[in-house]
Amino acid sequence: SQKIEQNSEALNIQEGKTATLTCNYTNYSPAYLQWYRQDPGRGPVFLLLIRENEKEKRKERLKVTFDTTLKQSLFHITASQPADSATYLCALDVGGGGNKLTFGTGTQLKVEL
Amino acid sequence: GAVVSQHPSRVICKSGTSVKIECRSLDFQATTMFWYRQFPKQSLMLMATSNEGSKATYEQGVEKDKFLINHASLTLSTLTVTSAHPEDSSFYICSARITGTSGATYEQYFGPGTRLTVT
Repeated sequence: SQKIEQNSEALNIQEGKTATLTCNYTNYSPAYLQWYRQDPGRGPVFLLLIRENEKEKRKERLKVTFDTTLKQSLFHITASQPADSATYLCALDVGGGGNKLTFGTGTQLKVEL
Repeated sequence: GAVVSQHPSRVICKSGTSVKIECRSLDFQATTMFWYRQFPKQSLMLMATSNEGSKATYEQGVEKDKFLINHASLTLSTLTVTSAHPEDSSFYICSARITGTSGATYEQYFGPGTRLTVT
């Protein structure tokens, strides 16, 4: 069956360090993968999209990698700040047209002073 | 840009009544909108794809007669939860893709969500 796995345990890191979140998937062949941020009681906010033929994408302090052989994406936040504390969701297109997304359960990141 | 609003943000209703949730794209057109449901500590589950001017496409296991979707214009989709029961209590979130002259974007822009509590 199809699965998207993100570390369900919260990730606690110190301010200024790099946070690395993992998204693994099985039985998917996504054309692209997306990362979203979700704050408590709010809708997700789009961060980055990476296509299957791209290895890496950057946006300010964010970096995403996409390894279609390993079926894994890594999401990095460099120079992390307490304001980066949130739940981060990865999402895959499910194919078949329509651009529907399937979301992982998310990883909660806490950046401490 | 790319702002999506939802109304209401919170609603409490009695079992057996119906509730309508509105999703609007404020500064862009959206031929396609999506409705999700999210239970505590769980991920977003896609309920249906709302297409402007045509019938919605529902995901497996979602009752189309219970969750009525109307996408009457390029900026508005509504979800009506009919004959709501306590098990329908959840966080309902809509999203939209920007539709332009060259097609629609892949990324989705989400509304702030609607917390539905059925007593």
